[in-house]
Amino acid sequence: DAGITQSPRHKVTETGTPVTLRCHQTENHRYMYWYRQDPGHGLRLIHYSYGVKDTDKGEVSDGYSVSRSKTEDFLLTLESATSSQTSVYFCAMGQGHPYEQYFGPGTRLTVT
Amino acid sequence: GQQVMQIPQYQHVQEGEDFTTYCNSSTTLSNIQWYKQRPGGHPVFLIQLVKSGEVKKQKRLTFQFGEAKKNSSLHITATQTTDVGTYFCAGRRNNDMRFGAGTRLTVKP
Repeated sequence: DAGITQSPRHKVTETGTPVTLRCHQTENHRYMYWYRQDPGHGLRLIHYSYGVKDTDKGEVSDGYSVSRSKTEDFLLTLESATSSQTSVYFCAMGQGHPYEQYFGPGTRLTVT
Repeated sequence: GQQVMQIPQYQHVQEGEDFTTYCNSSTTLSNIQWYKQRPGGHPVFLIQLVKSGEVKKQKRLTFQFGEAKKNSSLHITATQTTDVGTYFCAGRRNNDMRFGAGTRLTVKP
């Protein structure tokens, strides 16, 4: 949706290297989310943020960390990438419960 | 923990046929949302259901929320090729929202 972007859109990296994915929104939404999408699993929440410097773990947070120093930016870091982290990563924004979420275009990450 | 199951995983229909996907939760939900993801795209919000037994319609799409607020369905009447994609339900209980695995719909013209 307009107002939320992700970078990079595609990345190939080697096992053991650090990787940071960026999500940027221009809608001033309070909540931001990171999901991973894998066949047969749908969308699984990694971490989310409910304000600047306020973050919490999701369903599949192991191996991932996040940071939110500004309302508009939400970073997802894989400290040491593993092949099991090969996935499509979606960022989303919203006003929180009970409102809907707006998703970014996704980042396809391949860990070799 | 909360789980949301969605069936079927895949559905292939002839254009003009109807389509239904079902979503079932292991716990009572506060609300349920439905999203559509076109091939190669990102999920896009379709609708939210909140009340027990609620039914909402969007043109050829009919959404239902069960009386017990543990299940939901999306029905498409007379599918068109533009309906192709994966349909996800997302069930929320308190601050925890879980997505179903999705139903991938393909439509043969």
